[in-house]
Amino acid sequence: GAGVSQSPSNKVTEKGKDVELRCDPISGHTALYWYRQSLGQGLEFLIYFQGNSAPDKSGLPSDRFSAERTGGSVSTLTIQRTQQEDSAVYLCASSLVGGTGANVLTFGAGSRLTVL
Amino acid sequence: AQSVTQLGSHVSVSEGALVLLRCNYSSSVPPYLFWYVQYPNQGLQLLLKYTTGATLVKGINGFEAEFKKSETSFHLTKPSAHMSDAAEYFCAVRPSGGSYIPTFGRGTSLIVHP
Repeated sequence: GAGVSQSPSNKVTEKGKDVELRCDPISGHTALYWYRQSLGQGLEFLIYFQGNSAPDKSGLPSDRFSAERTGGSVSTLTIQRTQQEDSAVYLCASSLVGGTGANVLTFGAGSRLTVL
Repeated sequence: AQSVTQLGSHVSVSEGALVLLRCNYSSSVPPYLFWYVQYPNQGLQLLLKYTTGATLVKGINGFEAEFKKSETSFHLTKPSAHMSDAAEYFCAVRPSGGSYIPTFGRGTSLIVHP
């Protein structure tokens, strides 16, 4: 597609429920990133996928968080047993690797998660 | 390892006044530096970037930033603020080699008064 698409745009869930957030990156972008944006906290790195390499999961805050990327394209971020502190905007971005576009991330509009 | 510090979570200016948003970084290797802007209810978009070459880089909407290695700074400026510049601005750094994962600052909210 023309841009990075994320769904749902808004999700309200009850504490303890599982949620799935989806990201559809720009076609041809081999790198995909998940960040979390909390009020006053900036962007917190969560996980990075690059081609067929093992993902860099160093930013995942707990084992309740996981992500996968199928076929080198669409990615799903799953949060199990949600807690109130998981409330945030979850941002997905994609980029090229190598060449002049290697350094620029294109972001989606985000998925706002509210845990009651 | 790298980090980014943005001084001031909020900056308020009058329309037509100079805009200065500060960013200092730390990086163990030569950095690539970025400014992204987030308008209300929109995703982040690239404003400008420094990779190599000229240390003064120009971006969209009249913004520019200067890479100063000796000061480890990459401050963002615009000579004359417009109301439409009101947004959240994020500075980011990533190493020029190795990891492709940028580290972002906490952001600075620019408020423009008429």
